[in-house]
Amino acid sequence: GENVEQHPSTLSVQEGDSAVIKCTYSDSASNYFPWYKQELGKRPQLIIDIRSNVGEKKDQRIAVTLNKTAKHFSLHITETQPEDSAVYFCAAPSTVTSGTYKYIFGTGTRLKVLA
Amino acid sequence: DAGVTQSPTHLIKTRGQQVTLRCSPKSGHDTVSWYQQALGQGPQFIFQYYEEEERQRGNFPDRFSGHQFPNYSSELNVNALLLGDSALYLCASSSWTATYYGYTFGSGTRLTVV
Repeated sequence: GENVEQHPSTLSVQEGDSAVIKCTYSDSASNYFPWYKQELGKRPQLIIDIRSNVGEKKDQRIAVTLNKTAKHFSLHITETQPEDSAVYFCAAPSTVTSGTYKYIFGTGTRLKVLA
Repeated sequence: DAGVTQSPTHLIKTRGQQVTLRCSPKSGHDTVSWYQQALGQGPQFIFQYYEEEERQRGNFPDRFSGHQFPNYSSELNVNALLLGDSALYLCASSSWTATYYGYTFGSGTRLTVV
């Protein structure tokens, strides 16, 4: 069935340290994996995504890795800053009908960057 | 500006009442998906609309219904409100032919049922 598991649920790091959030998915047909950042009271915003034809993608201080064999993908944030504090969600697509998808979201990770 | 507009921003309703939430998708998008996000949880899929039809539905009771208009805007209706319906309701728009590559979320409607 459709399932996306996300760990940890909370994560506290010192400013400047790295943070890693991990997700596993169940639908082996999934080929695209977005990560969203949600600040308090605001909408989720796409921060990075990865497609199954690559194993890693970087954008400045954030990176995502994908292991399709193991069906898991991870978000890496380096040199964390206080403004990185937010809730992060992973998501994976699940086929609605041929040609379109819905997204199944993880339960979220609350990241706190301590100054 | 996300390009997806939702109204109202906040809403307080009493148990048993009915509510209608509205969404206008981003320009160029024709597909609208609705999600419920309870406090401290990830967004849960309610349903998706394309060509004015409900394409798939998540695990939500029939009290939740929707509609899509010819201009692609959409409404979410919830009848017989329960305290447990209190949540942030998110509208996500996409292109039917490019849904695979992500949503654009609206800012949401925060519904409080008292």
